[in-house]
Formats: sequence, structure tokens, C-alpha cells
Amino acid sequence: DTGVSQNPRHKITKRGQNVTFRCDPISEHNRLYWYRQTLGQGPEFLTYFQNEAQLEKSRLLSDRFSAERPKGSFSTLEIQRTEQGDSAMYLCASSPDYWANTEAFFGQGTRLTVV
Amino acid sequence: GQQVMQIPQYQHVQEGEDFTTYCNSSTTLSNIQWYKQRPGGHPVFLIQLVKSGEVKKQKRLTFQFGEAKKNSSLHITATQTTDVGTYFCAGQEESNFGNEKLTFGTGTRLTIIP
Repeated sequence: DTGVSQNPRHKITKRGQNVTFRCDPISEHNRLYWYRQTLGQGPEFLTYFQNEAQLEKSRLLSDRFSAERPKGSFSTLEIQRTEQGDSAMYLCASSPDYWANTEAFFGQGTRLTVV
Repeated sequence: GQQVMQIPQYQHVQEGEDFTTYCNSSTTLSNIQWYKQRPGGHPVFLIQLVKSGEVKKQKRLTFQFGEAKKNSSLHITATQTTDVGTYFCAGQEESNFGNEKLTFGTGTRLTIIP
């Protein structure tokens, strides 16, 4: 296990379609984050898991977005009825579960293009 | 909600000049982290600061955490072309114990003129 893995790396979809992304965190990392990044902007927080528990979801996130981490390992992010404004890089990160070291390790991201 | 701002948004420097980016949070932070993102890449962790007034150095990079734990800075001495990228600060709210959401700043994009 060499890092956080995200699939697919690229996704092109038609407006109105549903898409699902997968993130495999570093083994034994209990925290998992989803971020969205558009060109020239910083990563925008979407949601965060501690093991299988979803602790927070951004208020900016519409009900079309949902995330799961059913067994506390990999996570999926689903976007329903995609819109052109959803086009962005979706980043997943994981971190260890002890307070003294909360460095986040990022995956390569999934670039979503909605046409 | 918590907001983390960085200035400047862009910085162009001649190779060999110094560079500084400043980070300001609307709320008190339990810790501040710095990340570097190369063009086309993903954010990569540089360092974490925890204590009020803490200063840490990594070769030509100096990181500082403010006394009030609401601001931070990153200073690069004698920039090199390998320093090109966008530098982000990211903080966790002190008041949000147990829910350690990491909020990223707006970033400072550094370009180097050879």
C-alpha cells in the first residue's frame, strides 16, 4: 500500500447522469476526507469520515451528493443528476487517527467533466 | 463558518529572491498545516504547527504560527525553480474538538522567473 488510490482518474459524463467515485485510503487510516477543487482555487471541503461514521457534510453540498464508507475502509462519492457546475477535481485524503499527527495524504484525484 | 484566507493570491519572483505567503483564519486553530501543490498535481503535506508562536524550518522554508493561533506564514529564502507551485495553509478549528475537519486556505501561486 503506497498511498491513497482514487478511481477513475478521469470521468466525462452527460448532464443529468449519475456518477460514482471510489477512494481507497492508506491502510489503518481512520479519517477520510472528500474535497472538491476547481481551477485556481483551494480544495473545498465536502465531507469527512471517522471510520464508517460521517461526521460532517458541507452545507454548500446539495442533496445530489452522497458519500459512504460502509466498512470504514474504502469510500464512495456519488453525484446524482450531474450539472455542468459539478465539473471539478474530486480529491480524497486520509489521515491517521491520533491527535498529534493529522497530516492528510491526498490521492491523485478524479477529474469530472460534465458536458 | 470558518474561513481561511491567504495573501497574496499570486506571486512572481526572480529566481534567488525571497517569497512569503500569509494565512489568516476567522477562528482560532488547534493546528495549522501547509501543503504544496505542483501544477497538475495533488496537495502534498509540508509541515504542521501546533504551538502558539511556533517557528519551524525546513532548509530554505520557514513556517510560523501566530501567537493568537489565527494566522501563519511561510517564507522561502532564495527561491529556486523547484519551488514553483501553489502553497496552501489548512487549519483545524480549536473549538471543534473531536471533529477535525481540515479547512484549506485560498492558496498562493508562486511562479519563478529564471
